[in-house]
Amino acid sequence: GAVVSQHPSRVICKSGTSVKIECRSLDFQATTMFWYRQFPKQSLMLMATSNEGSKATYEQGVEKDKFLINHASLTLSTLTVTSAHPEDSSFYICSARMPNTGELFFGEGSRLTVL
Amino acid sequence: AQRVTQPEKLLSVFKGAPVELKCNYSYSGSPELFWYVQYSRQRLQLLLRHISRESIKGFTADLNKGETSFHLKKPFAQEEDSAMYYCALSGRTGNQFYFGTGTSLTVIP
Repeated sequence: GAVVSQHPSRVICKSGTSVKIECRSLDFQATTMFWYRQFPKQSLMLMATSNEGSKATYEQGVEKDKFLINHASLTLSTLTVTSAHPEDSSFYICSARMPNTGELFFGEGSRLTVL
Repeated sequence: AQRVTQPEKLLSVFKGAPVELKCNYSYSGSPELFWYVQYSRQRLQLLLRHISRESIKGFTADLNKGETSFHLKKPFAQEEDSAMYYCALSGRTGNQFYFGTGTSLTVIP
């Protein structure tokens, strides 16, 4: 199957700093990528839909100024957690949508710990 | 608004027994429904989708628009089926993709 790569897989940062997480579709072009947040033993919560070349569409309750999403190319979307706080600590997962089939392929996830 | 509901967080069945993981959805229009599976220490992967109407690893799921359900079934559970199962819904435009809360299936040897 297609491959989606997330980087970094783990990141620890100090409170108040910003962290960027990258999501790449390695062998296909994805016009749409999704960013999810997963709390321990809970489901994936959709944060935003990222469309190449346009602004991301954020779900209700997700602060767009805090979680900056950029989809600058058909193979790369980035999520930047700005001015991170301990409550932002979580597992962030991206997925990329295969254009022809609509199937989602998932990254391995990025665990963010804010001290 | 809760778009995808999986009422069972945990489900245990014995090997060889039938298994059904429930999924109900709420969406105006005609959504696409999927089942994703996450095996231990692996990333999420597609199990099946309603438009393909195929059976994967012995699992089937039928979309019931009247009951707004998309239950996942397998007649004879295997130990390797133990995993986390997520029902998911996508709008027709493809710009939304929502997951249910997941059901952790354990198949007892």
